[in-house]
Amino acid sequence: ETGVTQTPRHLVMGMTNKKSLKCEQHLGHNAMYWYKQSAKKPLELMFVYNFKEQTENNSVPSRFSPECPNSSHLFLHLHTLQPEDSALYLCASSRPRQTTNEKLFFGSGTQLSVL
Amino acid sequence: RKEVEQDPGPFNVPEGATVAFNCTYSNSASQSFFWYRQDCRKEPKLLMSVYSSGNEDGRFTAQLNRASQYISLLIRDSKLSDSATYLCVVTGAGNMLTFGGGTRLMVKP
Repeated sequence: ETGVTQTPRHLVMGMTNKKSLKCEQHLGHNAMYWYKQSAKKPLELMFVYNFKEQTENNSVPSRFSPECPNSSHLFLHLHTLQPEDSALYLCASSRPRQTTNEKLFFGSGTQLSVL
Repeated sequence: RKEVEQDPGPFNVPEGATVAFNCTYSNSASQSFFWYRQDCRKEPKLLMSVYSSGNEDGRFTAQLNRASQYISLLIRDSKLSDSATYLCVVTGAGNMLTFGGGTRLMVKP
């Protein structure tokens, strides 16, 4: 196992629903990330947290709201999503971000379908 | 120009073949380079880091060419289990890791 667990694995939601994705890492890392992977597109970085502080928000629409209560847990709260938000959402963790990047360890992802 | 560019493939090769992928990057200040492997409907997993002097791990060899701004991955004696998408990852703007679109490899019996 990767040491990064994500739930749920699959999620189908309507455009008016509110749901949350959960990520937990057991690797002792202090940086956590949300990535989006759409079909036939590269992974897109959404958010970065370093020691529980958000350090990157890559112009993500406000219908995606991250939360990092501690270095081991990361949430992505979803509301009023659009069909084009359907994608694989991947959580990752690493040692703290410094001047050079650390290796990323990914969770299995949540396959999200918005109807 | 994309920050990190890869030939999407697919590369179809027979078992036992040697195959090589290149990846070009646009940020000449990039410091970190990696190859990740992603199986269908699975998460990316680190395959190997790429060092300036090049590095080898079993059947896999990674090279960095800073002058031409590309990295390469060579796979010798391909196995069926090598079939996957190989993602090139480079530090991009703001020193964040930037992923290429991936190169799909299919090893056939």
